[in-house]
Amino acid sequence: TQLLEQSPQFLSIQEGENLTVYCNSSSVFSSLQWYRQEPGEGPVLLVTVVTGGEVKKLKRLTFQFGDARKDSSLHITAAQPGDTGLYLCAGEGGTSYGKLTFGQGTILTVHP
Amino acid sequence: GAVVSQHPSRVICKSGTSVKIECRSLDFQATTMFWYRQFPKQSLMLMATSNEGSKATYEQGVEKDKFLINHASLTLSTLTVTSAHPEDSSFYICSASWGGRNQPQHFGDGTRLSIL
Repeated sequence: TQLLEQSPQFLSIQEGENLTVYCNSSSVFSSLQWYRQEPGEGPVLLVTVVTGGEVKKLKRLTFQFGDARKDSSLHITAAQPGDTGLYLCAGEGGTSYGKLTFGQGTILTVHP
Repeated sequence: GAVVSQHPSRVICKSGTSVKIECRSLDFQATTMFWYRQFPKQSLMLMATSNEGSKATYEQGVEKDKFLINHASLTLSTLTVTSAHPEDSSFYICSASWGGRNQPQHFGDGTRLSIL
């Protein structure tokens, strides 16, 4: 069974601060996806990383895939209240072809 | 692109009722659809994977006779919660993918099911 440990579970910060969310596993993933979900809605895909060591940027969000493809991070620079939401990492790989293994999620609250 | 529509968005019904939830891929053909359950402030828990034209594959601990899944076409999958009870109350979310490795899943907006 593949597990994806996501941390922290809760993050409450002030507008303008930086933050990093981590996802770690002992398993190798062929790809890792990051989603953002707002209450009462489905998750929205932010990015997919595929190559070990890959770094992708989406405005103030920076996503990194570990060299060994076992871990990933999401870094947000100068957080804004609009960044508030549930962030989920999800990995695909191994025997779970096509299926995603989700991390526990990080509830981010950015206070104005 | 890659829009997934889920209907209904909210259902409130009495215990013992069967409830059907639809998941449609509006602008692409979804070889595979997934059904998840989510409790408040928690992550998504995969219930089953359905491939068009074949039986769904259920995760361990998910009762296939309780949660009936049909994926009759490349754009539609349905989840029927049979004889629902209060403990079945939850947020159910579907996702669709056009298949293949490293292809993203596109999620519907979920269905809030409340059993009285």
